[in-house]
Amino acid sequence: EAGVTQSPTHLIKTRGQQATLRCSPISGHTSVYWYQQALGLGLQFLLWYDEGEERNRGNFPPRFSGRQFPNYSSELNVNALELEDSALYLCASSLWRDRGPGGYTFGSGTRLTVV
Amino acid sequence: ILNVEQSPQSLHVQEGDSTNFTCSFPSSNFYALHWYRWETAKSPEALFVMTLNGDEKKKGRISATLNTKEGYSYLYIKGSQPEDSATYLCAFITNNDMRFGAGTRLTVKP
Repeated sequence: EAGVTQSPTHLIKTRGQQATLRCSPISGHTSVYWYQQALGLGLQFLLWYDEGEERNRGNFPPRFSGRQFPNYSSELNVNALELEDSALYLCASSLWRDRGPGGYTFGSGTRLTVV
Repeated sequence: ILNVEQSPQSLHVQEGDSTNFTCSFPSSNFYALHWYRWETAKSPEALFVMTLNGDEKKKGRISATLNTKEGYSYLYIKGSQPEDSATYLCAFITNNDMRFGAGTRLTVKP
């Protein structure tokens, strides 16, 4: 069974540009979560999608947005990039309201660098 | 905003030592508490999913307990090994939210 896949692995953008990050969840998982890990900080919650809808968002400005497609894959878009957006972006997936022993499954992340 | 606190922030132990960390979370709106191990250059990997007050989980040398009434969970590692070196994260989950603590970074010296 394929795990959570994220693309691209690395992304270099210029300040002011837009970045699009992609995530494919484990087959059958309907919830997708996005997290940011900036240098020296812990995992900061960005967005949660389930069944195509945004269920919750963290304390990030509106230029962080995303969507979930009918096949449950998801995109994270960051507009008007700023230098401090440089971070590792992790995606995780789960079944809706899953309390299963496996927890949430994470992808390997996209390393975004803004120059 | 959910406040999930982990302590200590970092820990250095010798091989063979036993150790434990704490995760504190709000005592209301509890749905589940997860523990993850995050090794450098890898993705966080689930250790335990805990859902009931009084839960105790065990996987090899690692175990965890949960007290939802007072809002804390302990993770124990018995006889630490160098391969246990990682950041240990807890995640507090409610009906519509999932927040991680900042983690405890464990270094086990041979």
